[in-house]
Amino acid sequence: QKEVEQDPGPLSVPEGAIVSLNCTYSNSAFQYFMWYRQYSRKGPELLMYTYSSGNKEDGRFTAQVDKSSKYISLFIRDSQPSDSATYLCAMLEGSYDKVIFGPGTSLSVIP
Amino acid sequence: GAVVSQHPSRVICKSGTSVKIECRSLDFQATTMFWYRQFPKKSLMLMATSNEGSKATYEQGVEKDKFLINHASLTLSTLTVTSAHPEDSSFYICSARGLVGPQETQYFGPGTRLLVL
Repeated sequence: QKEVEQDPGPLSVPEGAIVSLNCTYSNSAFQYFMWYRQYSRKGPELLMYTYSSGNKEDGRFTAQVDKSSKYISLFIRDSQPSDSATYLCAMLEGSYDKVIFGPGTSLSVIP
Repeated sequence: GAVVSQHPSRVICKSGTSVKIECRSLDFQATTMFWYRQFPKKSLMLMATSNEGSKATYEQGVEKDKFLINHASLTLSTLTVTSAHPEDSSFYICSARGLVGPQETQYFGPGTRLLVL
């Protein structure tokens, strides 16, 4: 079983839709959870950073972590064409550990 | 936010030559730098971790003599792809971890696209 799993998509939604992106993981020791956005031919950009379980909101983005289910989500409200990118979940055990990435979900927001 | 730069952004080279890629943290000191490789439609694959002034730690399956990493200062790490071959063509991304304000975090460079002919 892979450490981090993520549906690669592609996911296509109309502009204004709510997008739900998810990852599951197997290592119960993970404590730090991140979501990165990567545009084509660019490096990943950190969107959200969450420690342990719970929700975190930043503008149109909400990150959720459910450690009991080993499941994390990123919600994008009022999606825009500029949100079209690949979204990577990532996690690590301790703040000094290496980051383990999911394979990424390709998202297209259609105008 | 903190910025990490990479140079060059794109490089084309002949098979058998060596290519050096630089990664710099521009406004913070990076105690640790990471080098990743990304294949098309695949996740980032960690190649090695380097701490300033010490030898890099390579992930399993990554040839240390093929991918030479030098972390000479707290703001600069270099990856040299030695005797490059077409199968080394890929997107190489570095990231730098350090203290930015009150929080230790990791920032990525924009990546370097390598094409070996």
